[in-house]
Amino acid sequence: QVQLVQSGAEVKKPGASVKVSCKASGYTFTGYYMHWVRQAPGQGLEWMGRINPNSGGTNYAQKFQGRVTMTRDTSISTAYMELSRLRSDDTAVYYCARESTKMGTVTTSLVDYWGQGTLVTVSS
Amino acid sequence: DIQMTQSPSSLSASVGDRVTITCRASQSISSYLNWYQQKPGKAPKLLIYAASSLQSGVPSRFSGSGSGTDFTLTISSLQPEDFATYYCQQSYSTHFTFGPGTKVDIK
Repeated sequence: QVQLVQSGAEVKKPGASVKVSCKASGYTFTGYYMHWVRQAPGQGLEWMGRINPNSGGTNYAQKFQGRVTMTRDTSISTAYMELSRLRSDDTAVYYCARESTKMGTVTTSLVDYWGQGTLVTVSS
Repeated sequence: DIQMTQSPSSLSASVGDRVTITCRASQSISSYLNWYQQKPGKAPKLLIYAASSLQSGVPSRFSGSGSGTDFTLTISSLQPEDFATYYCQQSYSTHFTFGPGTKVDIK
């Protein structure tokens, strides 16, 4: 069965960086884009970007350009999201999420599996 | 990026009620619209994809409609387990964007 297992909670100081990992199992890691989505406490879902695990190509939300780096290690089926120059408003649960496609009225992309989430707390 | 809005931001309803949530895109996205349900402390769960297709295992009381810029999620008869927050998400662009969410709670 498909599983995405993320690294544990982190506490960071403002200005620092954090790197969250997402280990995939139960499917061919290089066959599906991996997205990163975050959720601040009591807030909605915010798309950060995605990585093509096969090529390493990335697409980032404009808001995070220059601060986020998504990478992968295909040898261990693991995706990473690193966020730099952390601020207090980066405190959130960070999810990795697998993109798949399904055919309906159109053939659409969607997220079908999510990691359990990683809480990143930024505090001085 | 394509902006998504939802209305209402929250609603109170009773078990058995018919509930309708609206999602609007800032530009036409054809039928590239998905709906997710999220319960507190849990990851989101896919309900509807391609605007109107029901994800496997999701009860038939959930339905979706719309195309272009305006979309609707309907719960025909609200059940206790449906109290949650619902998000729309566009996949027209490779830059996925989510709506701000609609929280459905108990009246």
